[in-house]
Amino acid sequence: DIVMTQSPDSLAVSLGERATINCKSSQSVLHSSNNKNYFAWYQHKPGQPPKLLIYWASSRGSGVPDRFSGSGSGTDFTLTISSLQAEDVAVYYCQQYYSTPYTFGQGTKLEIK
Amino acid sequence: EVQLVESGGGLVQPGGSLKLSCAASGFTFTTYWMSWVRQAPGKGLEWVAIIKQDGGEKYYVDSVKGRFTISRDNAKNSLYLQVNSLRAEDTAVYYCARGIGYCSGGNCYHYFDNWGQGTLVTVSS
Repeated sequence: DIVMTQSPDSLAVSLGERATINCKSSQSVLHSSNNKNYFAWYQHKPGQPPKLLIYWASSRGSGVPDRFSGSGSGTDFTLTISSLQAEDVAVYYCQQYYSTPYTFGQGTKLEIK
Repeated sequence: EVQLVESGGGLVQPGGSLKLSCAASGFTFTTYWMSWVRQAPGKGLEWVAIIKQDGGEKYYVDSVKGRFTISRDNAKNSLYLQVNSLRAEDTAVYYCARGIGYCSGGNCYHYFDNWGQGTLVTVSS
């Protein structure tokens, strides 16, 4: 199984500042046939279902604000929130969909400093 | 608007069974793979199972193989998860999720673009 490891486990950022979350996969999730990274990010707020933020490592989901961006390739990926808003407080998860079982990172809890 | 509404969770004794349901609306159910993902208390997300549009292909995480069965009724726009031989470690919120992707040559590739609110399964004596 592909192991997904996020860092840090928790993060406190001031409003308006940049937040960066990292995720590392135990093997590459870049498919050679189409040069796409089979990698996604989700936002999970308490009492709500997870929300898709990013897929194919850098494509934003429907309705996702452009302050959210994804980057990286192969085994190392980053989620960046360019200017933190109060509503961004949540736990963020990465996911690989390169192979089953699909696996998620352990989560990164983002709070306001 | 896409809606996924789970039901069927509850308190069950170890070794017991439940059938979880997910009612889908707001999209053409028959054109999507559908999945179950769970979250144990205080833990992260764990993918459980996925089923093809026509129900002809199903895939599971190893920890539930032989105990859980995913199914769907396209006439009722509904997804199901029969959970048997429940263990304490199966205690979790179970989410229904719409899968975007495909399977090819025995390999599958899906992310999840819409999720339900979840239903809680508690396994305890």
